Amino acid sequence: AQSVTQPDIHITVSEGASLELRCNYSYGATPYLFWYVQSPGQGLQLLLKYFSGDTLVQGIKGFEAEFKRSQSSFNLRKPSVHWSDAAEYFCAVKGGGGNKLTFGTGTQLKVEL
Amino acid sequence: EAGVAQSPRYKIIEKRQSVAFWCNPISGHATLYWYQQILGQGPKLLIQFQNNGVVDDSQLPKDRFSAERLKGVDSTLKIQPAKLEDSAVYLCASSLVGGQGTDTQYFGPGTRLTVL
Repeated sequence: AQSVTQPDIHITVSEGASLELRCNYSYGATPYLFWYVQSPGQGLQLLLKYFSGDTLVQGIKGFEAEFKRSQSSFNLRKPSVHWSDAAEYFCAVKGGGGNKLTFGTGTQLKVEL
Repeated sequence: EAGVAQSPRYKIIEKRQSVAFWCNPISGHATLYWYQQILGQGPKLLIQFQNNGVVDDSQLPKDRFSAERLKGVDSTLKIQPAKLEDSAVYLCASSLVGGQGTDTQYFGPGTRLTVL
């Protein structure tokens, strides 16, 4: 069965600093990978997704993620964080032909001004 | 394009009461999902519909939870009777096709349920 691990429950960064959120997945074949963001009281918004091809994926709001098969990772990055990026971030994996998304437990991002 | 709509946004009930949540997916989306998100956890799939048929309900507690999607559009999720551990955010999502890995799910704002 597929699974996702987000090792960092909470991360605090200063505004303007760079950000990297970690995600490790477990799946036997090439997975489909997603990053979603959830602001307080809101649903999940898709930031970016990886299906195949270029392993560096660009998303909305200046985010990018890199798929590394050898490390089973799909880390999310942003060069310069804005205060409005404070939210919870979820990594998710979907396997093969099915459409079932399996989420990690999330990383809560706090941005210090 | 309108997103996934859900109502109510918040609901407070006492244990053993019943509650229902409503979801209207993005127009034209064939597949609809209900997720349960307990505080501090990622969303967990409860049930998936393809049009008005159930594709996956393996994690739905069928002794108290039920869901339907009449006419393949709107959906209702019901809990009867509610337990304290049902306190969570219930998220509805939809996708265009379903059954394909590349199909993207779009989420509604969720309903926050508190069971006292």
